[in-house]
Amino acid sequence: NAGVMQNPRHLVRRRGQEARLRCSPMKGHSHVYWYRQLPEEGLKFMVYLQKENIIDESGMPKERFSAEFPKEGPSILRIQQVVRGDSAAYFCASSRGNQETQYFGPGTRLLVL
Amino acid sequence: QKEVEQDPGPLSVPEGAIVSLNCTYSNSAFQYFMWYRQYSRKGPELLMYTYSSGNKEDGRFTAQVDKSSKYISLFIRDSQPSDSATYLCAMSALETGANNLFFGTGTRLTVIP
Repeated sequence: NAGVMQNPRHLVRRRGQEARLRCSPMKGHSHVYWYRQLPEEGLKFMVYLQKENIIDESGMPKERFSAEFPKEGPSILRIQQVVRGDSAAYFCASSRGNQETQYFGPGTRLLVL
Repeated sequence: QKEVEQDPGPLSVPEGAIVSLNCTYSNSAFQYFMWYRQYSRKGPELLMYTYSSGNKEDGRFTAQVDKSSKYISLFIRDSQPSDSATYLCAMSALETGANNLFFGTGTRLTVIP
């Protein structure tokens, strides 16, 4: 019974490069959420997706960040032209349905040099 | 003002002590209240889930919600060293599509053997 899977677990990028973070939801879950956790801060909501649709992206920075959840394959959080301030832990969660319990993955720790 | 306030601690208690963790919030629309446990370098793990006001007990854990005071608590009885972790409160509103969780910053707990 695999939980939410995220990869890579650790990612190092230089300023200006692109970062791609992947999330596979739990089996039977079609709702995916991305959160960011900065050092000494709580998790902050970024985006909520269902298959092929972005439902709520109110927490996404206006530039450089995008997310998708295609019909086949994992959800992708993409950060273009990374800056040092993007260094954080990025967590993905999934749920079976709308407003149901969210289960979190182990996170991807992004370090921008 | 943050929507969810949580004392970051750290909190150290001897094994067997009763632990009280608390959060306050400002948004009266919040209806779902959760406590997550996060071990170092891991993803948050759901501990307790409560809808609206009242108490909920699960083993050594009791969650309380007081909506009139906008105050939630998690009590841990007979605390164990394995309870040492960061505890995050989280909450969400009831309106359609409002699936994103609002987190406190987390309280770091250490239970000393």
